[in-house]
Amino acid sequence: GAVVSQHPSRVICKSGTSVKIECRSLDFQATTMFWYRQFPKKSLMLMATSNEGSKATYEQGVEKDKFLINHASLTLSTLTVTSAHPEDSSFYICSVEGLYEQYFGPGTRLTVT
Amino acid sequence: AQTVTQSQPEMSVQEAETVTLSCTYDTSESNYYLFWYKQPPSRQMILVIRQEAYKQQNATENRFSVNFQKAAKSFSLKISDSQLGDTAMYFCAFMTHSGGGADGLTFGKGTHLIIQP
Repeated sequence: GAVVSQHPSRVICKSGTSVKIECRSLDFQATTMFWYRQFPKKSLMLMATSNEGSKATYEQGVEKDKFLINHASLTLSTLTVTSAHPEDSSFYICSVEGLYEQYFGPGTRLTVT
Repeated sequence: AQTVTQSQPEMSVQEAETVTLSCTYDTSESNYYLFWYKQPPSRQMILVIRQEAYKQQNATENRFSVNFQKAAKSFSLKISDSQLGDTAMYFCAFMTHSGGGADGLTFGKGTHLIIQP
C-alpha cells in the first residue's frame, strides 16, 4: 500500500493563531485525499474530501472557512486550522485514496491552549 | 446517508481464544465496500480486512475472517488464536465507490479489544 506521512506529529498553539498540517503521499499519486478528526476515545469523523487541483468538499457541519484545505499537487494536501480555539484540540488524520481502500497517515495531535 | 453500528464498546478474551466483533450497517447503496481497521495505542490506522459487497465469499486474512451477511447488513470480524498484539481499538467502516472515485469512510464507534495473557 501507499506510504503516507503527516507533519507535524504533534503541535501546540495558542488560541487565536493558525496552524497548518501537511499530509504527504510518499510513493503514490493521490488525486483524492481525505481529512478525518478523532476526539479522545471516539471514532473518526470525515471532515472533508480533498481533490487535487480543485476545491475541497466539506461534510455537513464542518466550517470551510475555519478548516482550509489545499491540495495543490498529487503528493501533498494541507489542512490549516484558522483562529484555533481550545475546542479545536483533537487528533487529525489524513488518508489517501487507493484502489478500493484508503491508506492512512499517522495522525497529528493538535492542542490549543 | 450511511450508518455503521458497533454494539460492543469493549471485549476481553484470553490469549489463543477466538473472538467475534459485531458490526451492522445501513445503506441504500448497492455498490460498496466494508472494512475492519485496527487502531493500536500508536493511533496508526491499520487495515485488517476488506470485503467487496458484490462478492458473496467471505474475506479471510490469516487469523482474521469476516461473516458478511448482505441481506441482514451484518459484517462481523472473527479473530482466531488471538494474540497479545491484537489488543487495540477495532473500527468497522463503510465506503461507497462511484465511477468518479471513492467517498470518505463512515466509521462505527469502535470496539476496544483486550487480549489477556
